[in-house]
Amino acid sequence: EAGVVQSPRYKIIEKKQPVAFWCNPISGHNTLYWYRQNLGQGPELLIRYENEEAVDDSQLPKDRFSAERLKGVDSTLKIQPAELGDSAVYLCASSRGLAGARTDTQYFGPGTRLTVL
Amino acid sequence: AQSVTQLDSHVSVSEGTPVLLRCNYSSSYSPSLFWYVQHPNKGLQLLLKYTSAATLVKGINGFEAEFKKSETSFHLTKPSAHMSDAAEYFCALDSNYQLIWGAGTKLIIKP
Repeated sequence: EAGVVQSPRYKIIEKKQPVAFWCNPISGHNTLYWYRQNLGQGPELLIRYENEEAVDDSQLPKDRFSAERLKGVDSTLKIQPAELGDSAVYLCASSRGLAGARTDTQYFGPGTRLTVL
Repeated sequence: AQSVTQLDSHVSVSEGTPVLLRCNYSSSYSPSLFWYVQHPNKGLQLLLKYTSAATLVKGINGFEAEFKKSETSFHLTKPSAHMSDAAEYFCALDSNYQLIWGAGTKLIIKP
């Protein structure tokens, strides 16, 4: 079974430029998560999808961040415009059901390391 | 509010010696608790999870953790460290369908 796929693996951009990250979850997984991980810290949830619906985007900075999950499969996370403080690793994860972390293991992709200059 | 505290940012052990990575939690209810491992340039991988069944949980690669409610702890142990265990380890608990994460502990294995 293929794992969670993310691209690109690395991205270097100048501030004020736009950037987009793509995630393909494990086949059949209904729930998809985007996390941001700063250096020396644990991941921070940005948004959670159940199928194509964003059910928790309370921690997504909506002035510059947007996300979509068309057809309830692949997802794209966009930042426009990027700021220096956005430099981090952006992780995508998926889980099979809709019951939450207590019963559904989250599987993580390798992440996209973003550097904003 | 739920929170996770990993008590050591770095732990260094010699190969073949025991490993102890410490995690304390705060939760208003009985949580599920998780340990994940992150190797360089790799995704987070689940080592083990506690979901209110047996308090001693066995995971992959010889790791285990014990849930102690009285101490609000969920420490990760392994009897004998291997060079391949060098990585960053994260403790997490479930909260309203998301995971609350500790800051991580970097495990260094000395030959």
